[in-house]
Amino acid sequence: AQKITQTQPGMFVQEKEAVTLDCTYDTSDQSYGLFWYKQPSSGEMIFLIYQGSYDEQNATEGRYSLNFQKARKSANLVISASQLGDSAMYFCAMREREVRTSYGKLTFGQGTILTVHP
Amino acid sequence: DAGITQSPRHKVTETGTPVTLRCHQTENHRYMYWYRQDPGHGLRLIHYSYGVKDTDKGEVSDGYSVSRSKTEDFLLTLESATSSQTSVYFCAISEVGQGGRGYTFGSGTRLTVV
Repeated sequence: AQKITQTQPGMFVQEKEAVTLDCTYDTSDQSYGLFWYKQPSSGEMIFLIYQGSYDEQNATEGRYSLNFQKARKSANLVISASQLGDSAMYFCAMREREVRTSYGKLTFGQGTILTVHP
Repeated sequence: DAGITQSPRHKVTETGTPVTLRCHQTENHRYMYWYRQDPGHGLRLIHYSYGVKDTDKGEVSDGYSVSRSKTEDFLLTLESATSSQTSVYFCAISEVGQGGRGYTFGSGTRLTVV
C-alpha cells in the first residue's frame, strides 16, 4: 500500500490566488513527521514546511501552511497568494521513526506539478 | 556552500558497465541516503547509511550497492548498469535534532544508460 498519496498529478492556479495541494498518508506509528518539498525545473529539492505528528497547531512558513488533519491522515499544503515562481513540482513526504537507528528515512509521494498562470 | 555535493552531475554510460556515484558532505551528519527519481514515482529510497560502515537497503535496492568508509562520503555503485537504472539520483543527509529542516539534498546526478 502507498504510504504517501498525492492524487493530483497537475494543478493550475491564477496568480495571487490560493491553492491547496492534497496529501494523504498511511502509518500505524504514533510518532511521525510530514514534509513538503518544492522542486523547480532546475531540479533541486527545496524544503518548504514540516509538521510533527504531536504538533497541535498547523505549521506555517510565510505563504505556506500545512492543513494537518490527523484523524483523516491528511497533510495538505496551502499556498496563499500564488506567484509565478511557485510553478514547480511539489512533493509530500513522511518520516516514520525507526527503533533500530533512532531515526527515520523519508518516504515520498508521486508529486504534483503546479502551474501558476499570470 | 551547499554542504553536500554529488558527482558527477551528468553521466552517460553503456549497458553492462559499472558506475559509481559519489556523495560528499561537509556537515558531519550521521545519516546519508540515496534516492532515485522517476516520473510518476516521486523519490524512492535505494540505500541509506546511519554511520560509517553501517548501511541498509531501501525499497528499490536491487542492482545497487553502497559503501561508506568515511563520515563524509557515501558511494552508490551500479555493478552492471541497465537501461531501467536511467534516472536522476539524489543524495541526502540528515542529523538527529535538526527538526523538520533536518534533511538536505544534493543537486542530483542525471544518469543515462544506453
